[in-house]
Amino acid sequence: GIQVEQSPPDLILQEGANSTLRCNFSDSVNNLQWFHQNPWGQLINLFYIPSGTKQNGRLSATTVATERYSLLYISSSQTTDSGVYFCAVEGRGSTLGRLYFGRGTQLTVWP
Amino acid sequence: SAVISQKPSRDICQRGTSLTIQCQVDSQVTMMFWYRQQPGQSLTLIATANQGSEATYESGFVIDKFPISRPNLTFSTLTVSNMSPEDSSIYLCSVVRGHTDTQYFGPGTRLTVL
Repeated sequence: GIQVEQSPPDLILQEGANSTLRCNFSDSVNNLQWFHQNPWGQLINLFYIPSGTKQNGRLSATTVATERYSLLYISSSQTTDSGVYFCAVEGRGSTLGRLYFGRGTQLTVWP
Repeated sequence: SAVISQKPSRDICQRGTSLTIQCQVDSQVTMMFWYRQQPGQSLTLIATANQGSEATYESGFVIDKFPISRPNLTFSTLTVSNMSPEDSSIYLCSVVRGHTDTQYFGPGTRLTVL
């Protein structure tokens, strides 16, 4: 299957700081999604972004499919942004919806 | 979006017993999946739940240990059989409607096996 690598594995920020999370993948993909897992374990979809750039409030994401990477930007971070951020991809030719997950980035935002 | 519920939300079980987890979606979906998330780890796909037929299991997962049913387009169950402490995990179901659709996850079932 496709290899998905995320960096950094851990990130500690002060409230108000900006951050960039990276996701590299090993093969062509049909789609790429970013998820946030909150401290209670709920996975929330942030972006469905197989290519291009999207923005949603303080969050934005860019995927460069030809170079097999995606970036998630968090601006003016808040304590509620804490949790684990996962990148997941669906490979070309894979079963519809079959996602390969990275190991995640654990983000901690201090007040 | 899709609204997904899972039952139970958490359970503590004795080794050697079995637990059935239910996943209910508020509307018909094309694909349903079951994932396991061991403590501090990422998500691992257990199987694709196929409507009206046997599930498709990933390498390392077998039907005898994780029997799955999907009787219709909105409901699926996962059973964790003959449990051991190594089965302590969060089990999540997810759904997708079609191509170019976001995948949605249920709230998860936290299982502790003593």
